[in-house]
Amino acid sequence: NAGVTQTPKFRVLKTGQSMTLLCAQDMNHEYMYWYRQDPGMGLRLIHYSVGEGTTAKGEVPDGYNVSRLKKQNFLLGLESAAPSQTSVYFCASSYAGTGTGYGYTFGSGTRLTVV
Amino acid sequence: GENVEQHPSTLSVQEGDSAVIKCTYSDSASNYFPWYKQELGKRPQLIIDIRSNVGEKKDQRIAVTLNKTAKHFSLHITETQPEDSAVYFCAASIRRDGANNLFFGTGTRLTVIP
Repeated sequence: NAGVTQTPKFRVLKTGQSMTLLCAQDMNHEYMYWYRQDPGMGLRLIHYSVGEGTTAKGEVPDGYNVSRLKKQNFLLGLESAAPSQTSVYFCASSYAGTGTGYGYTFGSGTRLTVV
Repeated sequence: GENVEQHPSTLSVQEGDSAVIKCTYSDSASNYFPWYKQELGKRPQLIIDIRSNVGEKKDQRIAVTLNKTAKHFSLHITETQPEDSAVYFCAASIRRDGANNLFFGTGTRLTVIP
């Protein structure tokens, strides 16, 4: 049981390049999320999914796209990277429901630098 | 959306002392309040959580209190140890449009001085 796995762990991109971050979970969680973490700003929600084939925008969706073709995978895409997208990206998953026992499980993060 | 404010941004305590971190939230519909601990270079880890129908919850040296009327909640760590040094995040969850999105505070860097 690996939990939530993110790949890659580190990446350096040039401005204008594209890339895809992969998140995979083996806990049969219905919900999946992508957050970015910047110094002094906590974690901000980019996009989320409440089930296979569904996606929705979070707080800071501009410049990102997502897809959830399989329940266990949630992909985050940057079509044309910008220096403002330099950040640490965390994927998380959870069961459908609220309250104790429905907390998020986070992946180990992807540190992305756009130069 | 929800706005979560967290104070202080940094906190230093002597080993054995208590530490208190406070958060406020804006949306009265929020019903779930988890706390996460993040060590340097690691992922956030859930340490304790509380639902809106409970006023206090304890787990060994950590406790969380919730005041729904005032819309604030706090994390209390007693008998602090050096391994408690980390960044702590509070969060509030609103169930809306079929999702349980968490909105996070900006974090508190706790340093426990041996």
